[in-house]
Amino acid sequence: EPEVTQTPSHQVTQMGQEVILRCVPISNHLYFYWYRQILGQKVEFLVSFYNNEISEKSEIFDDQFSVERPDGSNFTLKIRSTKLEDSAMYFCASSLTDEKLFFGSGTQLSVL
Amino acid sequence: QKEVEQDPGPLSVPEGAIVSLNCTYSNSAFQYFMWYRQYSRKGPELLMYTYSSGNKEDGRFTAQVDKSSKYISLFIRDSQPSDSATYLCAMSPAYSGAGSYQLTFGKGTKLSVIP
Repeated sequence: EPEVTQTPSHQVTQMGQEVILRCVPISNHLYFYWYRQILGQKVEFLVSFYNNEISEKSEIFDDQFSVERPDGSNFTLKIRSTKLEDSAMYFCASSLTDEKLFFGSGTQLSVL
Repeated sequence: QKEVEQDPGPLSVPEGAIVSLNCTYSNSAFQYFMWYRQYSRKGPELLMYTYSSGNKEDGRFTAQVDKSSKYISLFIRDSQPSDSATYLCAMSPAYSGAGSYQLTFGKGTKLSVIP
């Protein structure tokens, strides 16, 4: 069964460093998303990406965040200068044409 | 008032019990309703998806939506230890044409099914 793949599963970084989280969405999907979940809190929407551009973003997704689809298979989230409060599980998701989002297993980001 | 409210539990039931999980919401724009299952340190896995008010059944799982009361439920019959997980409700408004289906999640209910 096709699945969304995320790498790495764990990422530890120092405050102020740049990190790139990587995702391979399901191959024929058209909509791509990043969500995050701070420990003990809700899964929160960050950004959606369609037709090679950001379609919506939340207040969390400030200038420190960017997304890119560099080729036909990868979808990345970059955090330019990480802060302690960026520590969370980051989930990539994709969907074909509707609201049925399929999520990856996540990247646990720890900012020290 | 929070957009989506869900009792975080934890909820502990014996194997074979019927489980009832619920969410309430305040935003009448929500049109699509989903239940996700999340195992520890894993991504949410789509379990049920409904659009209109009423019931939808899939095996041991039944999703129920009451738009007039802004209330959704997930029932699990003959619960199994493998059902032990956190169950998240999620909702989305009608597609806006903006190229995005933005889900709003509940906090999740942690379920343990005891053998």
